[in-house]
Amino acid sequence: AQKITQTQPGMFVQEKEAVTLDCTYDTSDPSYGLFWYKQPSSGEMIFLIYQGSYDQQNATEGRYSLNFQKARKSANLVISASQLGDSAMYFCAMRGIHTGNQFYFGTGTSLTVIP
Amino acid sequence: EAGVVQSPRYKIIEKKQPVAFWCNPISGHNTLYWYLQNLGQGPELLIRYENEEAVDDSQLPKDRFSAERLKGVDSTLKIQPAELGDSAVYLCASSSAAGGLTDTQYFGPGTRLTVL
Repeated sequence: AQKITQTQPGMFVQEKEAVTLDCTYDTSDPSYGLFWYKQPSSGEMIFLIYQGSYDQQNATEGRYSLNFQKARKSANLVISASQLGDSAMYFCAMRGIHTGNQFYFGTGTSLTVIP
Repeated sequence: EAGVVQSPRYKIIEKKQPVAFWCNPISGHNTLYWYLQNLGQGPELLIRYENEEAVDDSQLPKDRFSAERLKGVDSTLKIQPAELGDSAVYLCASSSAAGGLTDTQYFGPGTRLTVL
């Protein structure tokens, strides 16, 4: 079975500073993908970044990077130079090679950027 | 490319009334998901379609919830009768099954249901 754990219910960060949102996972699949989504107050889930379990390098997408530590089964999201518009809920999710198109989500972390 | 479209965005009904939500996935995406999201929680899968076949509906409360995906494109999720506890956001998402692990899931804006 797959499991995603996000232990930080709420985080605060000063504008222009970097912040790390934690995500750990548990899976028996030999190959899997890890995803981060942003959900602003408007409600839509926005895809941010993807990391494959066999990718040699950490994924980056603009100000977003994924700190992937396979041995620790962690896939933390790093947001650099935080902006007020980054205030939102952030969800970590995974998908395993043996679970097909089934996605598993964590409970989310609420990020507030302080001016 | 158009994203996942959902309607209505908001719905307020009285308990015991029926309600239906509609979803149009991204063109070419053959996998469609319906999720329920309670306040402060992550999405919980209700049903997953591969083309027109419901391949995972184990979390769908079948006594009052039903779904269909005719012709493998649009989908409708129905609740009849609605209960107070059904107040939540109903999210639709789609993905392409062709590429494997790298194919992500794209979400619609959701329908916020309030049952009075």
